[in-house]
Amino acid sequence: ETGVTQSPTHLIKTRGQQVTLRCSSQSGHNTVSWYQQALGQGPQFIFQYYREEENGRGNFPPRFSGLQFPNYSSELNVNALELDDSALYLCASSPGQGAAEQYFGPGTRLTVT
Amino acid sequence: QKEVEQNSGPLSVPEGAIASLNCTYSDRGSQSFFWYRQYSGKSPELIMFIYSNGDKEDGRFTAQLNKASQYVSLLIRDSQPSDSATYLCAVAGGTSYGKLTFGQGTILTVHP
Repeated sequence: ETGVTQSPTHLIKTRGQQVTLRCSSQSGHNTVSWYQQALGQGPQFIFQYYREEENGRGNFPPRFSGLQFPNYSSELNVNALELDDSALYLCASSPGQGAAEQYFGPGTRLTVT
Repeated sequence: QKEVEQNSGPLSVPEGAIASLNCTYSDRGSQSFFWYRQYSGKSPELIMFIYSNGDKEDGRFTAQLNKASQYVSLLIRDSQPSDSATYLCAVAGGTSYGKLTFGQGTILTVHP
């Protein structure tokens, strides 16, 4: 059984640029959630995708957007990067929507300079 | 008031002791409760989940849930230095259906 994978592992971008992060869900999981984790804090929910539709969104501005593909993999796009966007971005997959157990990938460390 | 609150610690226990980690939550409609372990520089790893009031045991770990008091805890028996990590409490359901709301985490150090 393949776990959740994310790419890239690390990324350095300049303020104002755009970035795309990618996630492949665990085998058999159709739901993907994205979280942002700042240093020393718990992860903050960005949004969840279930069967290619957004299924809930946290308190993040519209420049954070996402997609889910028919194979349940997902992308997180962030436009007009700000310094405060520097964080660990985590993708989690789960076997169903709602309050199901979520399993995290290794994360993408984004640094905005 | 934060939605999910944990003592940030650090909590330091000797090897072989019981480590007790606590968490309170504000959304009374919450349905699912999770404990994640996060080693420095790594992503969170799910170690326990509990849905019903009472205790749930898995090896050295016991999760306890009291919905009336809006309280969930994690006990680690026979603590080992390899248990040293940040432990994150997460809550789902209620008004945050599908979304995990995390506490800020408790740093646990197990010293030999």
